[in-house]
Amino acid sequence: AQTVTQSQPEMSVQEAETVTLSCTYDTSESDYYLFWYKQPPSRQMILVIRQEAYKQQNATENRFSVNFQKAAKSFSLKISDSQLGDAAMYFCAYRSGPYGGSQGNLIFGKGTKLSVKP
Amino acid sequence: DAGVTQSPTHLIKTRGQQVTLRCSPISGHKSVSWYQQVLGQGPQFIFQYYEKEERGRGNFPDRFSARQFPNYSSELNVNALLLGDSALYLCASSITGPLSYEQYFGPGTRLTVT
Repeated sequence: AQTVTQSQPEMSVQEAETVTLSCTYDTSESDYYLFWYKQPPSRQMILVIRQEAYKQQNATENRFSVNFQKAAKSFSLKISDSQLGDAAMYFCAYRSGPYGGSQGNLIFGKGTKLSVKP
Repeated sequence: DAGVTQSPTHLIKTRGQQVTLRCSPISGHKSVSWYQQVLGQGPQFIFQYYEKEERGRGNFPDRFSARQFPNYSSELNVNALLLGDSALYLCASSITGPLSYEQYFGPGTRLTVT
């Protein structure tokens, strides 16, 4: 079975600085997708960034980028120029590819609570 | 366009009772998934429905059931409620089947069992 581990329950960053959130996962599958979701205090889960395992290039979305290390099964999220609105719970999630076992459902880590200090 | 909507927002039930939670997907989305998020944890997959058929089930007891209607809305039912069922229940929709890239989440229903 696939598992996702986020080893940092809480992180803090100064506004305008950079922070990196860690995520490791375990799988025997070769085709899969990885995601970072943001859940602000309002509770609505929002997709931040997505990475396909077959792609070697790390995904980037504006101030958000990932460091995807497939061999190490590591998938960290870097937030540059942090803003007060980035404060939220961040969840790393895994999904099997088309022929995998989890049939499209997401497997989440326990989350990292990010605080942004003004 | 309206996002995923869920009702009710909050719900308080007593142990042993039954509850029904409702979800309306984004217009045009045919797949709905349900997740349970216990306080301090990440969401856990309960069910996935696509084109009104169950396409996936997580490791939850038979007290949990769901269905999807012809308009693609969905209901999650939980019977014989336990204290441990207290959680935020999230619904997510996707445009095609289970292998859609992105799932769009609703705001959730907060269920408290006393």
